[in-house]
Amino acid sequence: DQQVKQNSPSLSVQEGRISILNCDYTNSMFDYFLWYKKYPAEGPTFLISISSIKDKNEDGRFTVFLNKSAKHLSLHIVPSQPGDSAVYFCAATISGNTPLVFGKGTRLSVIA
Amino acid sequence: KAGVTQTPRYLIKTRGQQVTLSCSPISGHRSVSWYQQTPGQGLQFLFEYFSETQRNKGNFPGRFSGRQFSNSRSEMNVSTLELGDSALYLCASSLVDGTGTEAFFGQGTRLTVV
Repeated sequence: DQQVKQNSPSLSVQEGRISILNCDYTNSMFDYFLWYKKYPAEGPTFLISISSIKDKNEDGRFTVFLNKSAKHLSLHIVPSQPGDSAVYFCAATISGNTPLVFGKGTRLSVIA
Repeated sequence: KAGVTQTPRYLIKTRGQQVTLSCSPISGHRSVSWYQQTPGQGLQFLFEYFSETQRNKGNFPGRFSGRQFSNSRSEMNVSTLELGDSALYLCASSLVDGTGTEAFFGQGTRLTVV
């Protein structure tokens, strides 16, 4: 049973436009969510996180939105740049005391 | 500040052999977690060690084991290798002080079983 789902395996966006990556979760106990970016042959790099007490967190070009009632979060990248092309993983945990549960990832391609 | 270091980066083994992977966490980090990444499966949690004790374990067979030393360095062992064990094995360390839960990953060890 997949507790964290990223239903879009891939996404293509033009440079300068907005990229929106989506993530759904089923476990209502999750209260902390993270996004990681991964380039080939490298480990995932932490991007941004959000606690369930918030509905939005912003860091530069990256904004994460959390909709607890829908058990849905999204990562917005504005403006998208070619260097953003990577696989993005959504992850969730319970109070930081349980292992991170990852989605299967979405491959973002930003086209110049 | 040095990041998470995993050795070796690449490894080729034959079926039936065993393998040991090593992970040195960020200085001061006491929690080390291991993940397996295979195509189409994302990152699957193997186990987590904190202060030399296994704190959490994922749904993997007993052929997968690990340990953590007093300096927080961790090793992961896979015995009786199978072709399906070919994967990228990632180690992550975190502070685990209740104020942040971001896990920092190493570059991984690419294991190929032939």
